[in-house]
Amino acid sequence: DIVMTQTPLSLSVTPGQPASISCSSSQSLLLGDGKTYLYWYLQRPGQSPQLLIYEVSSRVSGVPARFSGSGSGTDFTLKISRVEAEDVGVYYCMHGIEAPITFGQGTRLEIK
Amino acid sequence: QVQLQQSGPGLVKPSQTLSLTCAISGDSVSSNSVAWNWIRQSPSRGLEWLGRTYYMSKWYNDYTTSVISRITINPDTSKNQFSLQLNSVTPEDTAVYYCVRWLHDSRLFDYWGQGTLVTVSS
Repeated sequence: DIVMTQTPLSLSVTPGQPASISCSSSQSLLLGDGKTYLYWYLQRPGQSPQLLIYEVSSRVSGVPARFSGSGSGTDFTLKISRVEAEDVGVYYCMHGIEAPITFGQGTRLEIK
Repeated sequence: QVQLQQSGPGLVKPSQTLSLTCAISGDSVSSNSVAWNWIRQSPSRGLEWLGRTYYMSKWYNDYTTSVISRITINPDTSKNQFSLQLNSVTPEDTAVYYCVRWLHDSRLFDYWGQGTLVTVSS
């Protein structure tokens, strides 16, 4: 199974300040089609997870431009350029390589 | 717009069977471009993919190894839904269970059910 490891596990950020979450995978998420199957999900309090970023860096329609994803191979980063109150929740990275699909442990973002 | 509506009991006794159903609207359980999954979430295990069912000329199932001896995921084409059965449950199976759609081409989960908290307790 592919192991996904996130750091940090929690973040406390002042509104307007940046935030960064790292995710590493135990094997490369680059497939022969040239795509890298790394995703970021946000689970807001009391809600189901929702997709934010797909294939490392592509934002889902409606996701604000302050969210950006980067990385390659086994190391990835989600950045929020200026945190807002609505960004509170738990962020998960996930791979899409093969079953079993696995998630990172989650990073809890709170507002100071 | 796809919607997944979960139903099933929130309390199951140890050693009994956990049964949940996920009714699909806006798509077909027999679509050959998607898979229908169950994922659970608990403080100790985080988000854990349990398994899936999908149709590509015939029906397929995949299950995670930790529950493979206890789990069954079945499609119901007459009702356009799919189900989860987990046998011989213990308190460690207490979790929020989600039904989720997977897109084969994009390799991602896009639509999630509302979640069902299932507590295993006598």
